[in-house]
Amino acid sequence: GENVEQHPSTLSVQEGDSAVIKCTYSDSASNYFPWYKQELGKGPQLIIDIRSNVGEKKDQRIAVTLNKTAKHFSLHITETQPEDSAVYFCAAIRDSSYKLIFGSGTRLLVRP
Amino acid sequence: DTEVTQTPKHLVMGMTNKKSLKCEQHMGHRAMYWYKQKAKKPPELMFVYSYEKLSINESVPSRFSPECPNSSLLNLHLHALQPEDSALYLCASSQSVLPWAPGNTIYFGEGSWLTVV
Repeated sequence: GENVEQHPSTLSVQEGDSAVIKCTYSDSASNYFPWYKQELGKGPQLIIDIRSNVGEKKDQRIAVTLNKTAKHFSLHITETQPEDSAVYFCAAIRDSSYKLIFGSGTRLLVRP
Repeated sequence: DTEVTQTPKHLVMGMTNKKSLKCEQHMGHRAMYWYKQKAKKPPELMFVYSYEKLSINESVPSRFSPECPNSSLLNLHLHALQPEDSALYLCASSQSVLPWAPGNTIYFGEGSWLTVV
């Protein structure tokens, strides 16, 4: 079955710096890759997603890149702010599946 | 509006109690999900409902019993739980019953924190 590995497990950056979180997946049939942000005590919030027919997608300070050949995708946050501090989960899902496979999560801390 | 509403936010129950978690969405979504999340872990799928019918049960113990009374509501009935069942229970929904379909997105609620004592 699908396996998603996520790195790093924790990331501390200075406000204004960029943050990059990387995920690799094992199932070449995976075709949808969402990223969720989970703040303390809250449910996961979708922040950006990408499908396998696209290499890059950007939404303001957030971007996601996908390398299908290498089977990895990354989240890029520029000009980080303290409110970006949260746990970030990548996920993958394949055709014909109902099950999102999540990475283990990255705890991002943005220092003021 | 991309809101999935869950109640209660917090629930403490004894191992002999019967309680229910409730989830509601008014986005016309055809698929609804229950996930379980333990501390510092990613969410794990429990159940999937498609068009109000149970389509996936991820080998969840029978002490968890889902119910979908209508297209907007999803319940999770709890009975004879164990302390290790304490977790955050997340409800989610998506427009399509095919979560990977183009244009489809899975939205999560804020969750219900369950403590079994």
